[in-house]
Amino acid sequence: AQSVTQLDSQVPVFEEAPVELRCNYSSSVSVYLFWYVQYPNQGLQLLLKYLSGSTLVESINGFEAEFNKSQTSFHLRKPSVHISDTAEYFCAVGTQDGSEKLVFGKGTKLTVNP
Amino acid sequence: DSGVTQTPKHLITATGQRVTLRCSPRSGDLSVYWYQQSLDQGLQFLIQYYNGEERAKGNILERFSAQQFPDLHSELNLSSLELGDSALYFCASSVWLSLTAGACTTNEKLFFGSGTQLSVL
Repeated sequence: AQSVTQLDSQVPVFEEAPVELRCNYSSSVSVYLFWYVQYPNQGLQLLLKYLSGSTLVESINGFEAEFNKSQTSFHLRKPSVHISDTAEYFCAVGTQDGSEKLVFGKGTKLTVNP
Repeated sequence: DSGVTQTPKHLITATGQRVTLRCSPRSGDLSVYWYQQSLDQGLQFLIQYYNGEERAKGNILERFSAQQFPDLHSELNLSSLELGDSALYFCASSVWLSLTAGACTTNEKLFFGSGTQLSVL
């Protein structure tokens, strides 16, 4: 079975500071990896994904994540955050074995303060 | 707007009752997923339907059931409700592709609804 661990439940940072949201996974088969974002009072939206190829993936709003197979990690980073980045971020893993479900981490609440 | 519609947005009920949550997927999406989000468990996969048939099952209680209708909308039925069932229930849809030659499936992107907040008092 797969599992996802998001080590930090809450991450407070100041505006324009860098941030890293950590995600580790475990799986016995090859995986797809995702980061979803949930803004207040909204559903989840896909932020970025790793399916294959380059291990560094980027989103349109400046976030990036790097797939590290040896460390089974998929940490999310942004060099300079905005107040509008305040949201909850979920890491998720899907397997390449024909199973359809995504297994989510418990989420990291990012709060960007002025 | 993800294109996935969930109703109702909020539901308040009492223990022992039964409720039905409804989800309309994005136009053209054949696959519907149900997730439960609670503070202690995080986001948990409940069940998936593809074109009317159950495709995958997760941590869904026997008191819960779901179905997908010919028009592809889905309903999640929760019965004999308990206090611990209070949570945010999300529906998601996707285009599920199966490349039968390679026995490979892709689950690239889930589109989530805004959720139904269920409060059991």
